[in-house]
Formats: sequence, structure tokens, C-alpha cells
Amino acid sequence: KAGVTQTPRYLIKTRGQQVTLSCSPISGHRSVSWYQQTPGQGLQFLFEYFSETQRNKGNFPGRFSGRQFSNSRSEMNVSTLELGDSALYLCASSLQRGSAEAFFGQGTRLTVV
Amino acid sequence: AQSVTQLGSHVSVSEGALVLLRCNYSSSVPPYLFWYVQYPNQGLQLLLKYTTGATLVKGINGFEAEFKKSETSFHLTKPSAHMSDAAEYFCAVSDRMGSGANNLFFGTGTRLTVIP
Repeated sequence: KAGVTQTPRYLIKTRGQQVTLSCSPISGHRSVSWYQQTPGQGLQFLFEYFSETQRNKGNFPGRFSGRQFSNSRSEMNVSTLELGDSALYLCASSLQRGSAEAFFGQGTRLTVV
Repeated sequence: AQSVTQLGSHVSVSEGALVLLRCNYSSSVPPYLFWYVQYPNQGLQLLLKYTTGATLVKGINGFEAEFKKSETSFHLTKPSAHMSDAAEYFCAVSDRMGSGANNLFFGTGTRLTVIP
């Protein structure tokens, strides 16, 4: 079956703009998590969604938000982009909350100029 | 609170030599432990995981890791390195009783170079 699909793969935005990234989990998976990967901070947890509700949130400013739809697809939004938001954004899906395994997508590389 | 420390941001081994990547964790609750591999411009691929039970865990591509609670360690090993093992490796911990693999705390990663 298809893996986790993230779109777009690459994105270039200007400071001050906003951006929306999309993640389609593996069919049947109901939990989606998002991570930010940068050379300086490494891999950091952004949020966890399950059954259209945010269950956990990492230590990021309110400019970072997300949502999950009834088909488990998820989007994350970053408003008022800053240069420091340039990163690889990774989405992971799991069958349910508390699962012992998460499958990652290939990520969206966001460059803010 | 949970955290992971990976000793050595860069490790180089000769092809055919033993691979040892070190990971120590801190967790106030029973943990899940994971090793992921990342190739350039790719996402993360799960190598192996420890949940409960047997402390020696075997994963894909000949890798294995041993959970040592007394040492709070989960080191990754492979008896014989292959050129295709060159990548970045991440150790991660999560709260078994909470979000599980849906909320992972990652180490800073170890870049493995394999010398022909």
C-alpha cells in the first residue's frame, strides 16, 4: 500500500508570507504527527493529531498551526514566515494513538528567502 | 521528561568493520526506543524498535540494538559495514504509556561514513 505522502516536496517562500503543507497518511492510519528538521536544532516535534483533534503540541510559536480532516489527512500552516523557518518538515503516520511504530513521509523542504 | 544523547556526531568505519553507534536515553516513564536512518533528501526509515520483552532487538539491513535499562542505553550495532550503510542515524525515545511513536524525542544524529 502507499506510504505517507507529503506535498509539495519543495517550496520557496518570501519572509512574511504564509505556507500550507499537506500530509496524507497511510490508508487506515488515524494519527498524524509533524516534525521540523533543521541543521541547528535537529528534529523537533511540532504537533500530534488524532481523530481531528490536536493531542500534543511541541514548543513552537503560535505561527505554527495544523489541522486534521475526517479522512485523517493533515495540513500544517506557518504564518508570517521567518528565515529561521527554513527546514525540512516531516510528517509521520501511525495506526492509532500510542502506537509503537510511526512511518515517515519524505518531507517538504521549505526555503524562506 | 524524555531526552536522547547520541555520542559522536560523526563515525567513520572501514567497509567490513563493526558499526557501533551509541545512544543513551533519559525517561521518567517506561520508554519505547527507536533507531531511524535518513538518506540525503529523504524522510526517516525505521531500522528497529524496542517496546517490551526481549532486550536484544533485530532490525533491517543486519542492524541490531540492545536495551540496557541499568545503563539507560540503546546502542546500535552491525557486525560488518557495507558502503550502502553510509547515512545519518537517529535514536529516539517516546512515552510508552502516552502518545507512543506519535511523539518522538530525537537525538542529534550520527553521520556514518563507510570507507572502502
